[in-house]
Amino acid sequence: AQTVTQSQPEMSVQEAETVTLSCTYDTSESDYYLFWYKQPPSRQMILVIRQEAYKQQNATENRFSVNFQKAAKSFSLKISDSQLGDAAMYFCAYISGAGSYQLTFGKGTKLSVIP
Amino acid sequence: DGGITQSPKYLFRKEGQNVTLSCEQNLNHDAMYWYRQDPGQGLRLIYYSQIVNDFQKGDIAEGYSVSREKKESFPLTVTSAQKNPTAFYLCASTPGLNTEAFFGQGTRLTVV
Repeated sequence: AQTVTQSQPEMSVQEAETVTLSCTYDTSESDYYLFWYKQPPSRQMILVIRQEAYKQQNATENRFSVNFQKAAKSFSLKISDSQLGDAAMYFCAYISGAGSYQLTFGKGTKLSVIP
Repeated sequence: DGGITQSPKYLFRKEGQNVTLSCEQNLNHDAMYWYRQDPGQGLRLIYYSQIVNDFQKGDIAEGYSVSREKKESFPLTVTSAQKNPTAFYLCASTPGLNTEAFFGQGTRLTVV
């Protein structure tokens, strides 16, 4: 079974600075998809970014970008120019590309933004 | 607007009572899911359904039951057999295979 590990239960960043959240995963598959979700205090889960394993180029969405290292099975999220609204729980998730319906989530990283 | 609606937002029940959490979607998605979220545990899959009248157990199905009589609806019943039912419950849907999930706003269940 696939596992997703987020080794940083909590992190903090100064407003306007950059922070990187770590995620590693364990899989024997070559085709899969990875996601980062944000859960603010409202608890609504919001998709931040998506990465297809077959794409070498790292995904980017405005201030959010990933560092996808397929060989190392690493999928970190970089948040640039951090804003107060970025404070949230962040979850890394994995889904197999072999016709799967099941997302596997990490345990999350709580990000605090210091004004 | 399309989306997933969970109700109620907060739910209180006495120990030993069954309780049903509602989840409705108007996204025309085939698959629907129930997750349980506890502090420090991330999201754990309870049940999922790929099509109407069919569903599969997830990692923590014991003490829960579901039905999928309509494509739009996937209610979750927390039975008295669930040892520790107090938690935050999230419903989600996906349009098909290998895609990201779309989530409802969750239901906070407290059993006293």
